[in-house]
Amino acid sequence: DAGVTQSPTHLIKTRGQQVTLRCSPKSGHDTVSWYQQALGQGPQFIFQYYEEEERQRGNFPDRFSGHQFPNYSSELNVNALLLGDSALYLCASSPEGSAEAFFGQGTRLTVV
Amino acid sequence: KQEVTQIPAALSVPEGENLVLNCSFTDSAIYNLQWFRQDPGKGLTSLLLIQSSQREQTSGRLNASLDKSSGRSTLYIAASQPGDSATYLCAVEGPDQTGANNLFFGTGTRLTVIP
Repeated sequence: DAGVTQSPTHLIKTRGQQVTLRCSPKSGHDTVSWYQQALGQGPQFIFQYYEEEERQRGNFPDRFSGHQFPNYSSELNVNALLLGDSALYLCASSPEGSAEAFFGQGTRLTVV
Repeated sequence: KQEVTQIPAALSVPEGENLVLNCSFTDSAIYNLQWFRQDPGKGLTSLLLIQSSQREQTSGRLNASLDKSSGRSTLYIAASQPGDSATYLCAVEGPDQTGANNLFFGTGTRLTVIP
């Protein structure tokens, strides 16, 4: 079992550009959540997907959007990048009904 | 709004010492509490999960306790090793302002175990 995998591992973008981050959940997991972790801070919840729909959303602007595919993999899209979007973006998966979250290694996004 | 605090922010101990990391949360209406380990620039590894009805969980040299009524949890690490050096994050699962479930994280305790 490969666990939760995220791609790419590192990314550098210019302010104003758009970015897409990808996540494949752990085998058997159908719920995917995305988090943003700024340097020295704890992760902040962005949104959660289940059955290809956004089920919950944290306090993030509409520039942050996502998608879940029939195979449960997910994408996080960020439009009109700001310098403050530079962070480690973490994906977590869990099986429906379970509380335990399993995290990927994250994507380090740098906006210059 | 749920606030999770971890004290201390950083801790250095000599190898072999037992240590305790602290986590407090403001809203006791939680479903569970989870302790994670994070190595620099990496993702989170789940260490222990305590359901709200439980008082403690143990895994190897790790023991986590939960006192929901007082809003506190501790992570006890016995006989620390240099490989334990990492940031330890506490997270509680509970309802946010909209009533939906959410994971609320502390800012972590950065542990250094000195050989």
